Amino acid sequence: AQTVTQSQPEMSVQEAETVTLSCTYDTSENNYYLFWYKQPPSRQMILVIRQEAYKQQNATENRFSVNFQKAAKSFSLKISDSQLGDTAMYFCAFMRGRSNTGKLIFGQGTTLQVKP
Amino acid sequence: GAVVSQHPSRVICKSGTSVKIECRSLDFQATTMFWYRQFPKQSLMLMATSNEGSKATYEQGVEKDKFLINHASLTLSTLTVTSAHPEDSSFYICSAVQGAGETQYFGPGTRLLVL
Repeated sequence: AQTVTQSQPEMSVQEAETVTLSCTYDTSENNYYLFWYKQPPSRQMILVIRQEAYKQQNATENRFSVNFQKAAKSFSLKISDSQLGDTAMYFCAFMRGRSNTGKLIFGQGTTLQVKP
Repeated sequence: GAVVSQHPSRVICKSGTSVKIECRSLDFQATTMFWYRQFPKQSLMLMATSNEGSKATYEQGVEKDKFLINHASLTLSTLTVTSAHPEDSSFYICSAVQGAGETQYFGPGTRLLVL
C-alpha cells in the first residue's frame, strides 16, 4: 500500500523568505502523480502544484517549485518570497496512474505560518 | 474553470435527523467525485468514491447505510448522513475529477454540527 509522510507538523517563515516543506512517499508503482494542496483558514483546498512521475523536470508554478527525487521517493515543496497569504496547511498527496480509481492518498499535513 | 460548489456550507441539526449535502461541478462534467471527512487540524480521510450512474465505492470502515451517496448526473453528487449523531459532526469535503484528468478539484466544504 502507498503511504505519504510529512514529518513537519508545523513550520514558520518570515515574510519574503524561502521555506521548504518535506514529503516522502512509499510505493512500488512506476506510474503515478504527486500533488501539493494548500488549505488556508477558509478550509478551501487549493491545488498548488502537480508532478507526473515520468517527468524528470521539476514542476514550477510562479513562487512554488518542487524538488522531485524519484529514487529517494521525496517530493518537497519550496515557497520563495513567502507572502502572508501563504499561511495555510499544506498537504502532499499521491495518486497512482490513471488506470485506477484516481484516489488521492494524503500526508498528515504541515501547518505553515508566514510572519510579517 | 474547474469550480466545485457545495451546499450547504454549514448545517446544524438535531440528533436522529438526516442531512443532505450537495456537491456540484459548475463548469465541467465529473464522472467521478470523492467525499472526504476532515477533523480539525487533521488530514482528509476518504470516505467514498462516487461514480455517475453506478453505486458508490466506500472505504473500509465507512458505513454505506449511514452515509448514502447518489451521483445522479455528471455535475451532481449528494451525501446524506442518515440518523445523524454528535459523533458525525465534522467537516465534509467533496472533490471532482474533470473528464479523464488526474487532478481533483475540491469544494469549499460543509461543516456539520449534530446536537
